[in-house]
Amino acid sequence: GNSVTQMEGPVTLSEEAFLTINCTYTATGYPSLFWYVQYPGEGLQLLLKATKADDKGSNKGFEATYRKETTSFHLEKGSVQVSDSAVYFCALKGGQNFVFGPGTRLSVLP
Amino acid sequence: DTEVTQTPKHLVMGMTNKKSLKCEQHMGHRAMYWYKQKAKKPPELMFVYSYEKLSINESVPSRFSPECPNSSLLNLHLHALQPEDSALYLCASSQELGTATNEKLFFGSGTQLSVL
Repeated sequence: GNSVTQMEGPVTLSEEAFLTINCTYTATGYPSLFWYVQYPGEGLQLLLKATKADDKGSNKGFEATYRKETTSFHLEKGSVQVSDSAVYFCALKGGQNFVFGPGTRLSVLP
Repeated sequence: DTEVTQTPKHLVMGMTNKKSLKCEQHMGHRAMYWYKQKAKKPPELMFVYSYEKLSINESVPSRFSPECPNSSLLNLHLHALQPEDSALYLCASSQELGTATNEKLFFGSGTQLSVL
């Protein structure tokens, strides 16, 4: 079946540091890939998505590229802010269902 | 309007109580979802409605009873819950329930449920 694996957290960075959160997936066919972000006490918000190989999703300074050859969709940001502190979920949609990774908690210190 | 609205935001109930969670969206989406999220875990799918008909039930206990009165509303009726049912309950919607690769989920802020 389809599955998503993310790097273990928590990740703690200083403000303006470079961020990478690794995500790899297993799926049949050609899924769409997503990053969702969850701030404390809230639901998940779509951060970015990519629907086919080599697509790059980007939003709010975050980027991720759909790499079919390595089945990866790593999230990156060049300079994180304290307001980026949240839990980040990698997800895929293959067929009807969405599958979420376990989440990676990011804490950014001033 | 790109919001999914859930009420109440917090709910405390005893094991003998009956309560309902409500969810509303006005984006014209025809698929609506209930997810359960335990602390520090990803959301787990419970139910999916497509065009107001129950399409997916992920083997959820009968003490959870979903209802979709119309295309904008989704309810989750709760009865005789257990303490282990305490969690954040998230509602979500999408345009359709299908295989289109550009589909995305829109989530509400959730109801934080505590069962005593």
